[in-house]
Amino acid sequence: EVQLVESGGGMIQPGGSLRLSCAASGFTVSSNYMSWVRQAPEKGLEWVSVIYSGGSTYYSESVKGRFTISRDNSKNTVYLQMNSLRAEDTAVYYCARGISSSSAYHLFDFWGRGTLVTVSS
Amino acid sequence: QSALTQESSVSGTVGQTVTLSCTGNNNNIGTFTVGWYQQISHGAPKTVMIGNSLPSGIPDRFSGSKSGTTASLTISGLQPEDEADYYCSTWDYSLSARVFGGGTKLTVL
Repeated sequence: EVQLVESGGGMIQPGGSLRLSCAASGFTVSSNYMSWVRQAPEKGLEWVSVIYSGGSTYYSESVKGRFTISRDNSKNTVYLQMNSLRAEDTAVYYCARGISSSSAYHLFDFWGRGTLVTVSS
Repeated sequence: QSALTQESSVSGTVGQTVTLSCTGNNNNIGTFTVGWYQQISHGAPKTVMIGNSLPSGIPDRFSGSKSGTTASLTISGLQPEDEADYYCSTWDYSLSARVFGGGTKLTVL
């Protein structure tokens, strides 16, 4: 059974750093692409970052230069290092697995339950 | 401002058929497969449609379609458990990013 469990969220002051983890089971993260998607309070979903099976990484314009996605194959875990945090980064952060099909590679088939990040002084 | 436009709210009665729409342009919906995600009470999103294909475990009351730059999610035989927020998503070539619609709140009366 595919499972994604996020952790590492919490309250942090503006300018601070936080590292989120996404522990996967039931599949191998290195064989799939993995993304982070966030949802601000009472707002919609927003794609944040992706790491492909080959290791390439991409980011949304709103987090580029501040966030870094990575993975540890030995732990089957994906991370999101968040630096220079701003109030507008406050959101629930979801980990999601990408679909392997070439026609739907930009979509997701499994999601985690999310972890809440609150940036506030 | 979302790249994809969805109705803010739709309602229907139990047993009714409802259709949710998602409008974009030729840089996104007109070219790429559209996915639909269901979110119940701000819980974890759940994938309910990939193009016109049902993921495993999703009832066949759900169906997806696309015409030009508009995608649709149709739910027939509406059930109380279908009450949720629904988000459409696809790739946007001009933005080089995955994009989402603003979401539609489906209320089952």
